[in-house]
Amino acid sequence: KQEVTQIPAALSVPEGENLVLNCSFTDSAIYNLQWFRQDPGKGLTSLLLIQSSQREQTSGRLNASLDKSSGRSTLYIAASQPGDSATYLCAVSEKSSGDKLTFGTGTRLAVRP
Amino acid sequence: EADIYQTPRYLVIGTGKKITLECSQTMGHDKMYWYQQDPGMELHLIHYSYGVNSTEKGDLSSESTVSRIRTEHFPLTLESARPSHTSQYLCASSVGSGNTIYFGEGSWLTVV
Repeated sequence: KQEVTQIPAALSVPEGENLVLNCSFTDSAIYNLQWFRQDPGKGLTSLLLIQSSQREQTSGRLNASLDKSSGRSTLYIAASQPGDSATYLCAVSEKSSGDKLTFGTGTRLAVRP
Repeated sequence: EADIYQTPRYLVIGTGKKITLECSQTMGHDKMYWYQQDPGMELHLIHYSYGVNSTEKGDLSSESTVSRIRTEHFPLTLESARPSHTSQYLCASSVGSGNTIYFGEGSWLTVV
């Protein structure tokens, strides 16, 4: 059974700092990995999708990497801003289960002005 | 921006009541999903559909039921709500395989 772990559970940084969020998964036979952002009381917003054949994806100040063989992904946020404060979730879909996602418990990020 | 809508956003109901949470998407996506999320906890898949008249139970056992009569509509129903059903319910959709999954804003259900 796939398990997804995110470390750290919570992170507080000053504005402008670069930071890295970590995600690990136990079964490397994944279809893809997605990073989401969730604001309090809201739904999820998709940030980046990495297919199993890809190594990284970039969108603006965000860069996500994938090392499928070691079961790890990182989300790099450059020049953090207070508006980046949210919970960041990673989720994997497996080849055996199509597009059904298994989620981690998330990293709660606070960026201090 | 995703065009997937959930109603109601917030609902407080009494034990034993029947409730339907609505989910609609205007993107023509073939796949739709319902996830349940307790505060501070991870999301768990409770129902999914790969197209009209297709529904399957997810990984987390749920007493709710779903239907998919139209592509754009995927309602979730609780026949008799209990306090243990208090949670956030998130609807999502995607097209094809291996593509981005889009989420609605969620429905917060409190059963008293």
